[in-house]
Amino acid sequence: DTEVTQTPKHLVMGMTNKKSLKCEQHMGHRAMYWYKQKAKKPPELMFVYSYEKLSINESVPSRFSPECPNSSLLNLHLHALQPEDSALYLCASSLLPGGVDQPQHFGDGTRLSIL
Amino acid sequence: RKEVEQDPGPFNVPEGATVAFNCTYSNSASQSFFWYRQDCRKEPKLLMSVYSSGNEDGRFTAQLNRASQYISLLIRDSKLSDSATYLCVVDASGGSYIPTFGRGTSLIVHP
Repeated sequence: DTEVTQTPKHLVMGMTNKKSLKCEQHMGHRAMYWYKQKAKKPPELMFVYSYEKLSINESVPSRFSPECPNSSLLNLHLHALQPEDSALYLCASSLLPGGVDQPQHFGDGTRLSIL
Repeated sequence: RKEVEQDPGPFNVPEGATVAFNCTYSNSASQSFFWYRQDCRKEPKLLMSVYSSGNEDGRFTAQLNRASQYISLLIRDSKLSDSATYLCVVDASGGSYIPTFGRGTSLIVHP
């Protein structure tokens, strides 16, 4: 079982819907990440939070809005998504941001389909 | 030039074979290196960190060659259960930590 929990596991939504993806970890990690992964491609980094502050935004469209309410939770708010946004969305955490030998622990992802 | 490159394979090997993958990176200031394994429709799972001195975990050996800017993963005595995609992750920013994945190498171990 993964120590990073993501909900929901599957989500189907229309292009006009608003939904949120949730990620939770209780390992005391202070860095949290959102990735997008399309089939047969590697994960692509979207956002990095360090100590609950957004530190990296990899030029992600504004229809994706991250939020880190506290050190254990990470949300990704979705609005007006496009069919090409259908993908596996992975959350990860690491003990510290930027530290050498700080591997990431991944949740099992939310599989998102946009109709 | 891509920041992190891997041969996508697939590498098709018989059980018991030894197989090696390489991953090259472009930023000489990169500090953190990892190998992950990803099974179909699953999340990536950490296989091992890669240290400058090299490290071994059972049948798996990882090495870092800073001069030539690549990391390697050696799998000895391959098992059917080793079939997966192996992803390298490099801190491509060289300090501020932007983890960058290679495209992954597919390994198929057959009986």
